[in-house]
Amino acid sequence: NAGVTQTPKFRVLKTGQSMTLLCAQDMNHEYMYWYRQDPGMGLRLIHYSVGEGTTAKGEVPDGYNVSRLKKQNFLLGLESAAPSQTSVYFCASEQGANQPQHFGDGTRLSIL
Amino acid sequence: SQQGEEDPQALSIQEGENATMNCSYKTSINNLQWYRQNSGRGLVHLILIRSNEREKHSGRLRVTLDTSKKSSSLLITASRAADTASYFCATDRIDSNYQLIWGAGTKLIIKP
Repeated sequence: NAGVTQTPKFRVLKTGQSMTLLCAQDMNHEYMYWYRQDPGMGLRLIHYSVGEGTTAKGEVPDGYNVSRLKKQNFLLGLESAAPSQTSVYFCASEQGANQPQHFGDGTRLSIL
Repeated sequence: SQQGEEDPQALSIQEGENATMNCSYKTSINNLQWYRQNSGRGLVHLILIRSNEREKHSGRLRVTLDTSKKSSSLLITASRAADTASYFCATDRIDSNYQLIWGAGTKLIIKP
């Protein structure tokens, strides 16, 4: 049972480039989340989804887009990367409201 | 905005000693969760305590919740080197609409 898998694990981009981060979960969870983690700060929610075909904005959505075309996958896109988006990105899934979240091991993204 | 704030920011103790971390929050909650993060890895759920519970145990972990003081504590008894990690609290606000609000974490180092 793989749980939550994030790809890629590491990536370096130049300012202005675009990329997509993939999150896949095999637990049939309804809810999925994208967070960013920066030094000295707690996780900040970028976007989330409460079911296939639905997405919503979190605390820091600007500069990011998401899609949930299949229940098991949640994609995070950066259309035009900026140095301020250098961070570690975590995906999480959750069976339902008020349940524990299950995390992937993160994508370490550097924007030069 | 940060709902949860952990205290202390860092804690270094000898193996075998007990470790206590605290979390304070600002608004009414449905539940509070504690997670552990080992270096370079994703977060792992430890305990969820609901607003109508005062104490919960899981192995060497003990969590208390005082809703009147809007605070929680995580006690790790008989610490081991493997407990070295960062510990985060997350609150599920009544008005949060699926979003967890995370503290900045306590970095725990267990010295052999």
